[in-house]
Amino acid sequence: ETGVTQTPRHLVMGMTNKKSLKCEQHLGHNAMYWYKQSAKKPLELMFVYSLEERVENNSVPSRFSPECPNSSHLFLHLHTLQPEDSALYLCASSPGQGAPDTQYFGPGTRLTVL
Amino acid sequence: DQQVKQNSPSLSVQEGRISILNCDYTNSMFDYFLWYKKYPAEGPTFLISISSIKDKNEDGRFTVFLNKSAKHLSLHIVPSQPGDSAVYFCAASAGSAGGTSYGKLTFGQGTILTVHP
Repeated sequence: ETGVTQTPRHLVMGMTNKKSLKCEQHLGHNAMYWYKQSAKKPLELMFVYSLEERVENNSVPSRFSPECPNSSHLFLHLHTLQPEDSALYLCASSPGQGAPDTQYFGPGTRLTVL
Repeated sequence: DQQVKQNSPSLSVQEGRISILNCDYTNSMFDYFLWYKKYPAEGPTFLISISSIKDKNEDGRFTVFLNKSAKHLSLHIVPSQPGDSAVYFCAASAGSAGGTSYGKLTFGQGTILTVHP
């Protein structure tokens, strides 16, 4: 599925930096998601947006700040991250029109925090 | 509490044979199940899904079986090909019971499938 794009693909940042991850979906979907995948752990849901409204925040630290300006774009703003935040960050989208609802993923951003 | 478990971290299969990947769940509210395939440095790709009203769904070489009483699902790949080598994730959703318009997925840890030529 190539309908979800993410930039950048790789990011190295220091703990004092501020950076943003971008996700764009071309599928006309209503729901968008941010996931974190750490080594040898299941995908962890971070945030869910449905119709541009944040509907889920799974106890994510405030150093991660999502933004959904419209139904096609999703950002994850990063500031004062810790080395343990190094992971693969995945964006997904889904039709969001009721069950069953299938999510389609982007390629991910590999983040390294020094 | 891990509600979706893939107890086999890895599986090795000969090309042309059947690959069987297993997944167990504990939440009886789950009613929609999906399998994703993931290559290194890429995002998960949706493979196949099954609703709890069915016990089997087939798409080409891929078949998913659901045993609700055992809270178990499996993915069969026949015949297996070297290009199938990847990490396979099962995921579950309590779509209807969740009361939301979007699908909140719970993922297993993944199983690394290696298909040898």
